[in-house]
Amino acid sequence: AQRVTQPEKLLSVFKGAPVELKCNYSYSGSPELFWYVQYSRQRLQLLLRHISRESIKGFTADLNKGETSFHLKKPFAQEEDSAMYYCARAGGYQKVTFGTGTKLQVIP
Amino acid sequence: DVKVTQSSRYLVKRTGEKVFLECVQDMDHENMFWYRQDPGLGLRLIYFSYDVKMKEKGDIPEGYSVSREKKERFSLILESASTNQTSMYLCASSLWELGRSSYNEQFFGPGTRLTVL
Repeated sequence: AQRVTQPEKLLSVFKGAPVELKCNYSYSGSPELFWYVQYSRQRLQLLLRHISRESIKGFTADLNKGETSFHLKKPFAQEEDSAMYYCARAGGYQKVTFGTGTKLQVIP
Repeated sequence: DVKVTQSSRYLVKRTGEKVFLECVQDMDHENMFWYRQDPGLGLRLIYFSYDVKMKEKGDIPEGYSVSREKKERFSLILESASTNQTSMYLCASSLWELGRSSYNEQFFGPGTRLTVL
């Protein structure tokens, strides 16, 4: 079974500090990985996907096949980044397996 | 703008009741999904459907069934609600494109918070 592991339930950082949300996945061929975000009282939405190799809201994530990781990073945290973040990987039939989520709390 | 709507934001039911959660999407998406979201457990897939009348079990289908009679509507049914089914239920949809090698973004509804007493 495909697994996505997010080891931190809660990550607290000060405004302006760097952020790294960890994500590891079980190895299986060429994975397709995503980060989804849920802001308070809002819907879960896609933040970024590795095949796009883009930066969204200052966040980036690099796929490291050797370490089977897809950590989400931002150099300077903002208060509006406070949210629940889910790492996810694609499976068959357009299915996606989600991790358990990390709550990011940015302290003013 | 993709819109996924769920019939109720909050629902309170009693143990043993039959519960229907409705989800409608207006973007002609082929794929639809039902998840439950629990603190510390993340999102877990209950069922999904890739076409009308087609359904596949997800990771935690026990105690649930689904119905997809029309492309835009995907219903989750709790045949006999139990207290351990108290949760936030999220519906999602995504486009399926023939020949596309990568996965399409899932669009989520606002969620239904179900409490079973």
